[in-house]
Amino acid sequence: EAQVTQNPRYLITVTGKKLTVTCSQNMNHEYMSWYRQDPGLGLRQIYYSMNVEVTDKGDVPEGYKVSRKEKRNFPLILESPSPNQTSLYFCASRPAGGVGSYNEQFFGPGTRLTVL
Amino acid sequence: SQQGEEDPQALSIQEGENATMNCSYKTSINNLQWYRQNSGRGLVHLILIRSNEREKHSGRLRVTLDTSKKSSSLLITASRAADTASYFCASGAGSYQLTFGKGTKLSVIP
Repeated sequence: EAQVTQNPRYLITVTGKKLTVTCSQNMNHEYMSWYRQDPGLGLRQIYYSMNVEVTDKGDVPEGYKVSRKEKRNFPLILESPSPNQTSLYFCASRPAGGVGSYNEQFFGPGTRLTVL
Repeated sequence: SQQGEEDPQALSIQEGENATMNCSYKTSINNLQWYRQNSGRGLVHLILIRSNEREKHSGRLRVTLDTSKKSSSLLITASRAADTASYFCASGAGSYQLTFGKGTKLSVIP
């Protein structure tokens, strides 16, 4: 089944304790993104990746890191989490397509993170 | 930057009625997409309309795009209780990024 998976689905942690949220897709998509969703703010893009070893900042990258060493995986790293990073996080992927093609994004099920 | 804005923020209708949601954006786009999210779950793509299109249909969904007004609307006809969800527009201005709005929360009362 074509899908984007995220782990863990739920995480409660404490301020300053490094954590990684994994994201994996089995559709051979070039593009992958991380979003956070907060009440009243909608979805905001954290980082995105156009392909292996190619990443760029989204709208709210502060406090986050990413890496894209393999095409299928795009982990989100919080080196020193703080309470304002408590949020619902989504990973998404989509194919690159050809010139002029626009493709839907496929979303993972979400990771609910609480930082105490 | 967050440029899509949906209107209304919340909408409550009776089953069988039509639901219309609007989206405005600020900069030029090459496509606009609508997504649906059931409570606390991942978003699911509904429909995509390109900047050179004015209207598109998919089942009970009808999307319009007015690039001169930088706005789009999503119409769900003959709504069902199962349509209860949040709906987001997402504007694409380049090859890589989609900018999402804050969403419209639709409640369809049986």
